[in-house]
Amino acid sequence: AIRMTQSPSSFSASTGDRVTITCRASQGISSYLAWYQQKPGKAPKLLIYAASTLQSGVPSRFSGSGSGTDFTLTISCLQSEDFATYYCQQYYSYPTFGQGTKVEIK
Amino acid sequence: EVQLVESGGGLVQPGGSLRLSCAASGFTFSSYWMSWVRQAPGKGLEWVANIKQDGSEKYYVDSVKGRFTISRDNAKNSLYLQMNSLRAEDTAVYYCARDRSSYSNDAFDIWGQGTMVTVSS
Repeated sequence: AIRMTQSPSSFSASTGDRVTITCRASQGISSYLAWYQQKPGKAPKLLIYAASTLQSGVPSRFSGSGSGTDFTLTISCLQSEDFATYYCQQYYSYPTFGQGTKVEIK
Repeated sequence: EVQLVESGGGLVQPGGSLRLSCAASGFTFSSYWMSWVRQAPGKGLEWVANIKQDGSEKYYVDSVKGRFTISRDNAKNSLYLQMNSLRAEDTAVYYCARDRSSYSNDAFDIWGQGTMVTVSS
């Protein structure tokens, strides 16, 4: 199984900050990577697929980059509604997720 | 409105069985691969199984092989997960999810609200 490792596991930030979450795959996955946002008690929401393609309806402050084994999710200007847990997921082979990154209010 | 609605969760004893259902609406269900994804309390996401549009291909995570069976009924726009020989470690919220495209192995763009399965004596 392809292992996905996110960093950091959690951090605190303020509204307006630029934040970056990284995701590393245990082997090359080309651009077969997605990012999700999950709020407590809710289902995950697709933000980005194919490593850098923004899902319809997702604000442009979200962006993704990377290919191969190293990927990043960037939120350019953190909004109050962005405090949540973020997961990366590879779909190069049968799907596996990172352990999640919780973004908390500072 | 594109929607997935799960049902069938509940409390079951170890070794017991449960069948989850997922009702799809607002899109052509028969055109998409579908998956089950679970999340143990306070933990991350784990893909469980998926099924091709016509049901001819099915794949499972190793931990559920031989115990869980995914199926679908395109005439009823429904996805199912038959869970047998349940263990405490199967306790989780179970989500059904739609693959974004008609190809296998894609991101999940539509998720249900989830149904809770608790395995405990």
